[in-house]
Amino acid sequence: DSGVTQTPKHLITATGQRVTLRCSPRSGDLSVYWYQQSLDQGLQFLIQYYNGEERAKGNILERFSAQQFPDLHSELNLSSLELGDSALYFCASSAPTSATSTDTQYFGPGTRLTVL
Amino acid sequence: AQSVTQPDIHITVSEGASLELRCNYSYGATPYLFWYVQSPGQGLQLLLKYFSGDTLVQGIKGFEAEFKRSQSSFNLRKPSVHWSDAAEYFCAVGAISGNEKLTFGTGTRLTIIP
Repeated sequence: DSGVTQTPKHLITATGQRVTLRCSPRSGDLSVYWYQQSLDQGLQFLIQYYNGEERAKGNILERFSAQQFPDLHSELNLSSLELGDSALYFCASSAPTSATSTDTQYFGPGTRLTVL
Repeated sequence: AQSVTQPDIHITVSEGASLELRCNYSYGATPYLFWYVQSPGQGLQLLLKYFSGDTLVQGIKGFEAEFKRSQSSFNLRKPSVHWSDAAEYFCAVGAISGNEKLTFGTGTRLTIIP
């Protein structure tokens, strides 16, 4: 158990809908990362938040957005869903000593999103 | 831009045999390197990491990896595999200085035969 929790574990929805994925980082971790794992794209970095602020962006679609709240939990919002958004979405957290250092990322169990 | 190549998509090994999974990276500076394992239906578990210092790093579950700068490689090894090692293995490279995303390889699926 990494200490990172994600809810829900599974999500089934229809095209055009909007969903919210939730992540609680390990206690004390300031950084939260979101990754998407799909069969055709592999594991791809989406976005990072550090202590409530967006830190880095990867291949995140404009239909997707995220935020990190004062209690450090994070939500990933996916809207206007398409079939191709079906994937496993991972959250990871780390505790960098500063905003410019790297530390180990610990991954949650993931949320499996199925868009029908 | 950083990248990771795992040339072997699928490897089959007999239980008790040795294992080496290959990983090559591309990065303009000293990389931070990681190996993660993903069991079916599970999340990613960190096996080991290299930040600096000794180029041979020990991880959990009896795994080790060696960083070879001259070959841009970070291969994962285990002297004797167990049936429970069957999983997907991902090599990843991390950047420093404000952009901490991990770039993953495509993974190597390990099958263990009795």
